[in-house]
Amino acid sequence: GENVEQHPSTLSVQEGDSAVIKCTYSDSASNYFPWYKQELGKRPQLIIDIRSNVGEKKDQRIAVTLNKTAKHFSLHITETQPEDSAVYFCAASKGNYQLIWGAGTKLIIKP
Amino acid sequence: EAGVTQFPSHSVIEKGQTVTLRCDPISGHDNLYWYRRVMGKEIKFLLHFVKESKQDESGMPNNRFLAERTGGTYSTLKVQPAELEDSGVYFCASSQAGMGTGELFFGEGSRLTVL
Repeated sequence: GENVEQHPSTLSVQEGDSAVIKCTYSDSASNYFPWYKQELGKRPQLIIDIRSNVGEKKDQRIAVTLNKTAKHFSLHITETQPEDSAVYFCAASKGNYQLIWGAGTKLIIKP
Repeated sequence: EAGVTQFPSHSVIEKGQTVTLRCDPISGHDNLYWYRRVMGKEIKFLLHFVKESKQDESGMPNNRFLAERTGGTYSTLKVQPAELEDSGVYFCASSQAGMGTGELFFGEGSRLTVL
C-alpha cells in the first residue's frame, strides 16, 4: 500500500536560518500533498498544500516543492522564528482516498 | 465558530477496561475522521464517516474498536476491552470536502493511556 516517509525526525536550526523537511511517497497516483503543523499541546493545522499539477507553491515564509518523477516533496521555511517550533506532518493522497501520513518532524528553533 | 472538540482530553484506564471517546465536528461538516498517533510514529487513519454512514473503516485495528455517528452529528469511538497497545493520541477531524481533497480540521486529541 501507499507509504510516506518523512525526514528528519528532529531538526534543530538557529533562529533566522532556513529549515527543510523532506517526504517521499510510494504511490505514483498520489496527487494531493498537504503539510500540517502541530504546536505543543495544540491541534494539527494545515499550513500549506500542493496538488500534482504544480511544482511549487509559496505562502510568505513557507514553500512546498514537488518532484513527481522522484516522488518526493519538501517543506521549506525561511527566516525561522521561535513560533515555528512545532511538529510538522506531511501527507499524501490520490483522488478521494485516505491521506497517508509521514511520521512527523520535530522542528526546534534555537534562539 | 466552534472548532472540532474532543472529550476527554486525557484518559487513563487499566487493561481490560472500556473507554469511550467523543468528537463533535464543525457544524455542517458531513465528513468526520478518526485517526490515532502512537508516540513518535505517523498519524494512522482509523475510519471515515460521511454523515452517519461509515465510508471507510479499513484502518480500524480490530473488533475491540467501535465507532458510531448516530444522526450524523457527533461521533463516539469505544475501545472495549482496552489493551496496552491501544495507548496513543486519538484525533478526530472533520471536513466539508471529501477525504484527500481538502483541508482537515482537527480536534486537540484525546490521549489514552492504558496501564
